[in-house]
Amino acid sequence: KAGVTQTPRYLIKTRGQQVTLSCSPISGHRSVSWYQQTPGQGLQFLFEYFSETQRNKGNFPGRFSGRQFSNSRSEMNVSTLELGDSALYLCASSLVLAGSNNEQFFGPGTRLTVL
Amino acid sequence: AQSVTQLGSHVSVSEGALVLLRCNYSSSVPPYLFWYVQYPNQGLQLLLKYTSAATLVKGINDFEAEFKKSETSFHLTKPSAHMSDAAEYFCASNNRLAFGKGNQVVVIP
Repeated sequence: KAGVTQTPRYLIKTRGQQVTLSCSPISGHRSVSWYQQTPGQGLQFLFEYFSETQRNKGNFPGRFSGRQFSNSRSEMNVSTLELGDSALYLCASSLVLAGSNNEQFFGPGTRLTVL
Repeated sequence: AQSVTQLGSHVSVSEGALVLLRCNYSSSVPPYLFWYVQYPNQGLQLLLKYTSAATLVKGINDFEAEFKKSETSFHLTKPSAHMSDAAEYFCASNNRLAFGKGNQVVVIP
């Protein structure tokens, strides 16, 4: 069974631009969660989608948004990029809602650098 | 607010020595707890999880963790460190999907 895939793996953008990241979950998984990982803050939860609906949301500004498609693939968008948005963005999928006792399976991440 | 705390961002351990990584949670209701490992340039991989079935949980690569409600802790241990254990380790809770800030483990030959 193929794992979680994320594209692209690396991105370089400039301040003010916007970016879209993509995540394909493991086949059959309906939940996709997004995390931002930085050296200082560790992993911070952005949001979770389940059956095309946002079910949980972390404490990030509205510049961060996402969506999920009927095939469970998810995209995350960041508008008006700031230097502080430079991070590794991780996507994780699970069979059911991530707040259960189910394991999350993580992708390799997208490394975003904002110049 | 962070509901999972890991102390000591960097942990050095000699090869063959005990690995001990501490995790404390802050929740009035015991959550489900997880330990994940992240190798360089990779995503996170599950080591083990606590789901209230047993307080001592065994995971992959000889790691284990013990849930102690009285101490609100879920510390990770491994009896004998290998060079391949060098990685970053994260404790996580299903409560607000919170992760600790991680422990970077360095194994000294």
